[in-house]
Amino acid sequence: RKEVEQDPGPFNVPEGATVAFNCTYSNSASQSFFWYRQDCRKEPKLLMSVYSSGNEDGRFTAQLNRASQYISLLIRDSKLSDSATYLCVVPNSGYSTLTFGKGTMLLVSP
Amino acid sequence: EAGVTQSPTHLIKTRGQQATLRCSPISGHTSVYWYQQALGLGLQFLLWYDEGEERNRGNFPPRFSGRQFPNYSSELNVNALELEDSALYLCASGAPLPQDYYEQFFGPGTRLTVL
Repeated sequence: RKEVEQDPGPFNVPEGATVAFNCTYSNSASQSFFWYRQDCRKEPKLLMSVYSSGNEDGRFTAQLNRASQYISLLIRDSKLSDSATYLCVVPNSGYSTLTFGKGTMLLVSP
Repeated sequence: EAGVTQSPTHLIKTRGQQATLRCSPISGHTSVYWYQQALGLGLQFLLWYDEGEERNRGNFPPRFSGRQFPNYSSELNVNALELEDSALYLCASGAPLPQDYYEQFFGPGTRLTVL
């Protein structure tokens, strides 16, 4: 299994739709996880952190399944402004460095 | 609060030349991370500096090097540039948090083009 694996997409959804992305990871020792959002030709920005079973912030919900080693990101009521690439990020041992997935592209259309 | 800054925004070099990229972390952050984002390859970890020392490096050749200054700003040097070094180079700063995890905050990046 690759260190961090994501479906590259793109996921094309209409405004108002609910969309979910999955990310699988290989390091079973990882305790915390992150979702970053990256707009085209911009830097990644931290979207959510996931520590225990999950985290919710408004329309965004991140869930963690340690047994299956995957993290999911659910976006409800999609907005045009949600169009971006979503990066799944897994800390390495000691949390000194992060391993980034290649990202999942989301395109929200009117 | 000022975020992570990087300079220059764009850099054009020819093969064989050297490139120097600069990064200033968020005030109070002691760690600086460098990443390379080449087209289609995702972010690849390059180097990590903390308190002036190189703490870890990714799977890159020695011609990628850098340093961190006493004010925690950092420099990335790429010697003997090759065409495949063309990429967006991102700097991130971070500080350890009590919950035993890091958050990294990214600068806008330097887009290096090697001709």
